[in-house]
Amino acid sequence: SQQGEEDPQALSIQEGENATMNCSYKTSINNLQWYRQNSGRGLVHLILIRSNEREKHSGRLRVTLDTSKKSSSLLITASRAADTASYFCAYYVNNFNKFYFGSGTKLNVKP
Amino acid sequence: GAGVSQSPSNKVTEKGKDVELRCDPISGHTALYWYRQRLGQGLEFLIYFQGNSAPDKSGLPSDRFSAERTGESVSTLTIQRTQQEDSAVYLCASSLVWSSGGADTQYFGPGTRLTVL
Repeated sequence: SQQGEEDPQALSIQEGENATMNCSYKTSINNLQWYRQNSGRGLVHLILIRSNEREKHSGRLRVTLDTSKKSSSLLITASRAADTASYFCAYYVNNFNKFYFGSGTKLNVKP
Repeated sequence: GAGVSQSPSNKVTEKGKDVELRCDPISGHTALYWYRQRLGQGLEFLIYFQGNSAPDKSGLPSDRFSAERTGESVSTLTIQRTQQEDSAVYLCASSLVWSSGGADTQYFGPGTRLTVL
């Protein structure tokens, strides 16, 4: 399967701490996206990083991409209780003509 | 102006019945995607449409699953002879265009929670 793996599966931190989630994938990709999902329903796009980029920032989010290791990480700085959600990486695999989502990291930020 | 909408939001059906799930994408979005998400798991890609055309249907889990899109707008996902393992949340997303390499932001609907008894 081309489904990405994410770790940790679950992460519990205190408000104000940083949260880091990792995504590994299995094949060459052109872009990688991160999404957030609240309460098991619709997902919200957070950030896209292209294969020729190594790092990208958006507000309190920082995404890195290491194509040699086929991995990406999402860092949320100064976390808030409202950041509590599941986070997924997503990428398109040309050979399989499909989007693949990682297995997700469930983040719990305690107030 | 509205986002992606899906109906029904919840569907409970008996094993063996057919169900039809509907997705209304954002107006003007040419690409549309269907996913399945089992409880506590990631998203499983089912099918995408470029306009009215679905270039690759191989992601559909079985021949009981079919999807259509008419007029570059509404799409329906039909599951025939439902089985208990079909129970999941079915998510629809749309994006402005379809670009090779997966560079398009997908906007997701709230999903339809299907329960097969």
